[in-house]
Amino acid sequence: EADIYQTPRYLVIGTGKKITLECSQTMGHDKMYWYQQDPGMELHLIHYSYGVNSTEKGDLSSESTVSRIRTEHFPLTLESARPSHTSQYLCASRGGGLVGTGELFFGEGSRLTVL
Amino acid sequence: RKEVEQDPGPFNVPEGATVAFNCTYSNSASQSFFWYRQDCRKEPKLLMSVYSSGNEDGRFTAQLNRASQYISLLIRDSKLSDSATYLCVMDSSYKLIFGSGTRLLVRP
Repeated sequence: EADIYQTPRYLVIGTGKKITLECSQTMGHDKMYWYQQDPGMELHLIHYSYGVNSTEKGDLSSESTVSRIRTEHFPLTLESARPSHTSQYLCASRGGGLVGTGELFFGEGSRLTVL
Repeated sequence: RKEVEQDPGPFNVPEGATVAFNCTYSNSASQSFFWYRQDCRKEPKLLMSVYSSGNEDGRFTAQLNRASQYISLLIRDSKLSDSATYLCVMDSSYKLIFGSGTRLLVRP
């Protein structure tokens, strides 16, 4: 089993609230990722990190921000949530060297509903 | 144009059938490719890596054709438990880009 954890698993909040989705992994992986996926739809990369103090935006425009102060921790923050942010957010990590192995280990996801 | 394109399916096949999925990609510089499997309401999991020489893992065979920029996945002797969405994944500048997935339904 992968040692990558996301909290909360489910969150229902009102518009305008600030939220942080937590993601932690205990595998010592340098590379971490956030994907967004609506039910039955494809995964979209929204943020990724190669290591501590490195963060990049993905291919899907997102109003969220991320930080990578510690190797094991990669939180995602929405400053002001809107109904359009309703989705599932999947955190993942992978190890290996510069390129990394192909295996992404995913957390169980955080399902966000903004009313 | 999407970087990774897949036929969404669904492919509806009887048990025991052989089924093949293709996936095309646009970035010719991409080095690595993978197939992932995603069950309903679950996170994706790595099924297998794809090499130019082709690779086989039991009933599953993956192939990469760099000249035509596509990868394929062949499943032989389909089982009911193979029903899932199969995701083609391209490693592009250290990002892993997922295709939209091909849904497979194996019926008794």
